[in-house]
Amino acid sequence: EDQVTQSPEALRLQEGESSSLNCSYTVSGLRGLFWYRQDPGKGPEFLFTLYSAGEEKEKERLKATLTKKESFLHITAPKPEDSATYLCAVQGLNSNSGYALNFGKGTSLLVTP
Amino acid sequence: GAVVSQHPSWVICKSGTSVKIECRSLDFQATTMFWYRQFPKQSLMLMATSNEGSKATYEQGVEKDKFLINHASLTLSTLTVTSAHPEDSSFYICSATRGAGELFFGEGSRLTVL
Repeated sequence: EDQVTQSPEALRLQEGESSSLNCSYTVSGLRGLFWYRQDPGKGPEFLFTLYSAGEEKEKERLKATLTKKESFLHITAPKPEDSATYLCAVQGLNSNSGYALNFGKGTSLLVTP
Repeated sequence: GAVVSQHPSWVICKSGTSVKIECRSLDFQATTMFWYRQFPKQSLMLMATSNEGSKATYEQGVEKDKFLINHASLTLSTLTVTSAHPEDSSFYICSATRGAGELFFGEGSRLTVL
Protein backbone atom coordinates (compact mmCIF):
# COMPACT_ATOMS: atom_id res chain seq x y z
CA GLU A 1 0.00 0.00 0.00
CA ASP A 2 1.28 3.46 -0.91
CA GLN A 3 2.29 5.59 2.06
CA VAL A 4 3.21 9.25 2.28
CA THR A 5 4.67 10.83 5.41
CA GLN A 6 5.35 14.54 5.65
CA SER A 7 7.52 16.31 8.20
CA PRO A 8 7.50 18.48 10.10
CA GLU A 9 3.79 18.68 10.82
CA ALA A 10 4.12 22.41 11.40
CA LEU A 11 6.91 24.89 10.75
CA ARG A 12 7.29 28.50 11.78
CA LEU A 13 9.85 30.64 9.98
CA GLN A 14 10.94 34.23 10.10
CA GLU A 15 10.66 36.08 6.83
CA GLY A 16 13.83 35.37 4.85
CA GLU A 17 14.70 32.23 6.84
CA SER A 18 15.12 29.41 4.31
CA SER A 19 14.12 25.84 5.14
CA SER A 20 13.00 22.51 3.68
CA LEU A 21 9.91 20.38 3.99
CA ASN A 22 10.22 16.61 3.75
CA CYS A 23 8.01 14.02 2.10
CA SER A 24 8.92 10.37 2.55
CA TYR A 25 7.07 7.85 0.47
CA THR A 26 6.70 4.17 -0.27
CA VAL A 27 5.01 3.13 -3.46
CA SER A 28 5.07 -0.03 -5.54
CA GLY A 29 5.89 1.93 -8.65
CA LEU A 30 6.02 5.71 -8.86
CA ARG A 31 4.11 7.35 -11.64
CA GLY A 32 4.62 10.80 -10.16
CA LEU A 33 5.10 12.78 -6.96
CA PHE A 34 3.09 15.95 -6.58
CA TRP A 35 3.39 19.05 -4.42
CA TYR A 36 0.38 21.24 -3.74
CA ARG A 37 -0.23 24.35 -1.71
CA GLN A 38 -3.50 24.60 0.22
CA ASP A 39 -4.82 27.76 1.82
CA PRO A 40 -7.47 27.48 4.57
CA GLY A 41 -10.90 26.61 3.17
CA LYS A 42 -9.56 26.23 -0.37
CA GLY A 43 -8.76 23.39 -2.69
CA PRO A 44 -5.15 22.39 -3.34
CA GLU A 45 -3.20 24.52 -5.80
CA PHE A 46 -0.80 22.63 -8.04
CA LEU A 47 2.89 23.41 -7.62
CA PHE A 48 5.04 20.64 -9.08
CA THR A 49 5.10 17.12 -10.45
CA LEU A 50 8.30 15.07 -10.26
CA TYR A 51 8.61 11.80 -12.12
CA SER A 52 12.06 10.35 -11.51
CA ALA A 53 14.85 10.37 -8.95
CA GLY A 54 17.24 13.25 -9.48
CA GLU A 55 14.62 15.50 -10.99
CA GLU A 56 14.34 19.08 -9.73
CA LYS A 57 11.81 21.81 -10.43
CA GLU A 58 11.70 25.45 -9.40
CA LYS A 59 9.04 28.09 -9.16
CA GLU A 60 9.83 31.47 -7.62
CA ARG A 61 11.04 30.78 -4.06
CA LEU A 62 10.20 27.08 -4.19
CA LYS A 63 12.34 24.20 -5.38
CA ALA A 64 11.29 20.56 -5.33
CA THR A 65 13.68 17.63 -5.49
CA LEU A 66 13.13 13.90 -5.67
CA THR A 67 15.03 10.78 -4.63
CA LYS A 68 13.88 7.18 -4.64
CA LYS A 69 12.54 7.47 -1.10
CA GLU A 70 11.73 11.11 -0.47
CA SER A 71 11.12 14.53 -1.85
CA PHE A 72 12.08 17.91 -0.46
CA LEU A 73 10.40 21.23 -0.96
CA HIS A 74 12.97 23.93 -0.38
CA ILE A 75 11.73 27.41 0.43
CA THR A 76 14.29 30.15 -0.11
CA ALA A 77 13.87 33.49 1.67
CA PRO A 78 10.17 32.91 2.39
CA LYS A 79 7.65 35.72 2.65
CA PRO A 80 4.49 35.87 4.79
CA GLU A 81 2.39 35.13 1.70
CA ASP A 82 4.07 31.72 1.50
CA SER A 83 2.19 30.74 4.66
CA ALA A 84 -0.04 27.77 3.80
CA THR A 85 -0.26 24.02 4.14
CA TYR A 86 1.97 22.19 1.70
CA LEU A 87 0.73 18.79 0.60
CA CYS A 88 2.74 15.98 -0.93
CA ALA A 89 1.04 13.19 -2.87
CA VAL A 90 2.12 10.16 -4.85
CA GLN A 91 0.57 8.56 -7.87
CA GLY A 92 1.38 4.87 -8.14
CA LEU A 93 1.73 2.81 -11.28
CA ASN A 94 -0.22 -0.01 -9.73
CA SER A 95 -2.98 2.09 -8.24
CA ASN A 96 -6.41 0.59 -8.60
CA SER A 97 -7.70 4.13 -8.81
CA GLY A 98 -5.80 5.04 -11.95
CA TYR A 99 -4.50 8.59 -11.66
CA ALA A 100 -5.78 9.14 -8.11
CA LEU A 101 -3.34 10.65 -5.63
CA ASN A 102 -2.41 9.37 -2.18
CA PHE A 103 -1.80 12.38 0.05
CA GLY A 104 0.32 13.01 3.10
CA LYS A 105 -1.09 15.01 6.01
CA GLY A 106 0.73 18.13 4.99
CA THR A 107 3.11 20.61 6.57
CA SER A 108 1.54 23.77 7.91
CA LEU A 109 3.95 26.64 7.26
CA LEU A 110 3.74 30.00 8.98
CA VAL A 111 6.08 32.77 7.90
CA THR A 112 6.20 35.74 10.23
CA PRO A 113 7.36 39.25 9.26
CA GLY B 1 -3.43 26.02 -15.70
CA ALA B 2 -6.66 24.12 -16.11
CA VAL B 3 -9.70 25.28 -14.15
CA VAL B 4 -11.98 23.07 -12.09
CA SER B 5 -15.03 24.66 -10.56
CA GLN B 6 -17.14 23.36 -7.68
CA HIS B 7 -20.57 24.49 -6.60
CA PRO B 8 -21.74 25.27 -4.03
CA SER B 9 -18.66 26.38 -2.12
CA TRP B 10 -20.51 25.91 1.13
CA VAL B 11 -23.83 24.45 2.16
CA ILE B 12 -25.70 23.99 5.42
CA CYS B 13 -28.49 21.45 5.59
CA LYS B 14 -30.67 19.68 8.09
CA SER B 15 -30.03 16.10 9.07
CA GLY B 16 -31.82 13.67 6.77
CA THR B 17 -31.79 15.86 3.68
CA SER B 18 -29.78 15.27 0.52
CA VAL B 19 -27.18 17.62 -0.88
CA LYS B 20 -25.75 17.74 -4.40
CA ILE B 21 -22.29 19.11 -5.19
CA GLU B 22 -21.23 19.82 -8.75
CA CYS B 23 -17.73 19.62 -10.19
CA ARG B 24 -17.01 21.08 -13.61
CA SER B 25 -13.87 21.21 -15.71
CA LEU B 26 -14.18 24.60 -17.38
CA ASP B 27 -11.52 24.56 -20.09
CA PHE B 28 -10.76 20.91 -20.71
CA GLN B 29 -12.49 17.58 -21.04
CA ALA B 30 -11.97 15.38 -18.02
CA THR B 31 -12.16 11.69 -18.71
CA THR B 32 -11.76 10.97 -15.04
CA MET B 33 -12.77 12.91 -11.97
CA PHE B 34 -12.00 12.13 -8.35
CA TRP B 35 -13.87 12.98 -5.17
CA TYR B 36 -11.95 13.55 -1.95
CA ARG B 37 -13.03 14.33 1.58
CA GLN B 38 -10.96 16.30 4.05
CA PHE B 39 -11.66 16.56 7.76
CA PRO B 40 -10.09 19.40 9.78
CA LYS B 41 -6.31 19.12 10.13
CA GLN B 42 -6.40 15.86 8.12
CA SER B 43 -5.21 14.88 4.70
CA LEU B 44 -7.37 14.49 1.62
CA MET B 45 -8.90 11.02 1.50
CA LEU B 46 -10.01 9.59 -1.81
CA MET B 47 -13.67 8.61 -1.80
CA ALA B 48 -14.30 7.53 -5.37
CA THR B 49 -13.09 7.64 -8.94
CA SER B 50 -15.57 8.70 -11.57
CA ASN B 51 -15.25 7.95 -15.27
CA GLU B 52 -17.54 9.55 -17.81
CA GLY B 53 -20.39 7.30 -18.79
CA SER B 54 -19.66 4.51 -16.32
CA LYS B 55 -20.26 3.68 -12.69
CA ALA B 56 -17.98 5.22 -10.12
CA THR B 57 -15.40 3.13 -8.30
CA TYR B 58 -15.58 3.62 -4.56
CA GLU B 59 -12.75 3.28 -2.06
CA GLN B 60 -13.04 0.78 0.74
CA GLY B 61 -15.25 2.04 3.54
CA VAL B 62 -17.14 4.57 1.41
CA GLU B 63 -20.86 3.80 1.15
CA LYS B 64 -21.90 3.95 -2.49
CA ASP B 65 -25.58 4.25 -1.59
CA LYS B 66 -24.88 7.26 0.57
CA PHE B 67 -22.49 9.08 -1.73
CA LEU B 68 -24.03 8.94 -5.19
CA ILE B 69 -21.72 9.96 -8.00
CA ASN B 70 -22.79 10.75 -11.53
CA HIS B 71 -20.41 11.62 -14.35
CA ALA B 72 -22.78 12.30 -17.20
CA SER B 73 -20.45 14.32 -19.40
CA LEU B 74 -16.76 14.98 -19.94
CA THR B 75 -17.02 18.25 -18.04
CA LEU B 76 -19.40 17.50 -15.18
CA SER B 77 -19.46 15.14 -12.23
CA THR B 78 -21.87 15.37 -9.31
CA LEU B 79 -21.68 14.04 -5.77
CA THR B 80 -24.95 13.65 -3.89
CA VAL B 81 -24.79 13.06 -0.15
CA THR B 82 -28.05 11.28 0.60
CA SER B 83 -29.77 11.46 3.98
CA ALA B 84 -26.93 13.53 5.35
CA HIS B 85 -26.02 13.31 9.03
CA PRO B 86 -23.74 15.50 11.17
CA GLU B 87 -20.86 13.04 10.77
CA ASP B 88 -20.96 13.71 7.02
CA SER B 89 -19.96 17.32 7.68
CA SER B 90 -16.67 17.78 5.90
CA PHE B 91 -14.81 19.53 3.12
CA TYR B 92 -15.48 17.77 -0.18
CA ILE B 93 -13.02 18.40 -3.00
CA CYS B 94 -13.12 17.18 -6.57
CA SER B 95 -10.25 16.87 -8.98
CA ALA B 96 -10.11 16.23 -12.67
CA THR B 97 -7.47 14.88 -14.98
CA ARG B 98 -6.90 15.65 -18.62
CA GLY B 99 -4.39 12.85 -18.89
CA ALA B 100 -0.62 12.73 -18.54
CA GLY B 101 -1.00 12.41 -14.79
CA GLU B 102 -2.00 16.04 -14.30
CA LEU B 103 -4.67 16.59 -11.69
CA PHE B 104 -6.39 19.87 -11.02
CA PHE B 105 -8.52 20.52 -7.97
CA GLY B 106 -11.69 22.44 -7.40
CA GLU B 107 -12.04 25.00 -4.67
CA GLY B 108 -13.86 22.57 -2.42
CA SER B 109 -17.35 22.48 -0.92
CA ARG B 110 -17.85 22.85 2.82
CA LEU B 111 -20.81 20.78 4.00
CA THR B 112 -22.30 21.36 7.44
CA VAL B 113 -25.12 19.08 8.53
CA LEU B 114 -27.12 20.32 11.50
